[in-house]
Amino acid sequence: DTEVTQTPKHLVMGMTNKKSLKCEQHMGHRAMYWYKQKAKKPPELMFVYSYEKLSINESVPSRFSPECPNSSLLNLHLHALQPEDSALYLCASSQGGGAGGYNEQFFGPGTRLTVL
Amino acid sequence: SQQGEEDPQALSIQEGENATMNCSYKTSINNLQWYRQNSGRGLVHLILIRSNEREKHSGRLRVTLDTSKKSSSLLITASRAADTASYFCATSGGGGADGLTFGKGTHLIIQP
Repeated sequence: DTEVTQTPKHLVMGMTNKKSLKCEQHMGHRAMYWYKQKAKKPPELMFVYSYEKLSINESVPSRFSPECPNSSLLNLHLHALQPEDSALYLCASSQGGGAGGYNEQFFGPGTRLTVL
Repeated sequence: SQQGEEDPQALSIQEGENATMNCSYKTSINNLQWYRQNSGRGLVHLILIRSNEREKHSGRLRVTLDTSKKSSSLLITASRAADTASYFCATSGGGGADGLTFGKGTHLIIQP
């Protein structure tokens, strides 16, 4: 199984809502990532988890809260978002493995988020 | 933050022609990768070239890397309509669990 799945595909939420994005992979990868992509822009890294521990946080606002319950799952909890947070949220995974490895990443199809 | 520039930003060619895209980056890298994205959905990994490699081939793809100029190129030969997509270069400074920094991308249109 070389697939990364993301749910939901689309999400519309108000600024006072709390919602979660989910990501799952069964490739035995030990590194997982969240990226944000605005329309006609490249993806921008948000968070990196390595061996289920948060290793990189690219100064993301606290209204985005990542969670890695186990090595196959990655969540992104959303609370009090702003309309400018509307974007495509992409999850990815890679083998991981430390400084000697190479991080070819497998991406999910993304969740298209609209904040009203 | 974005690593660098890609050019051209948009490219339209006839089916069967070759397409060349260029990417420049700013910092030292461990590897450089190219990804394809169709219609704003997930990205698909195409090829990875390590910092100590100069050229790599995969099927109809040829990638070059010039670390002295901090630049890379992606050549797609014998283009097909299905190659229509956005292409991004992405750099990594670290190893197996390092996030990618993407270039701005080239939108490629193959005219049938």
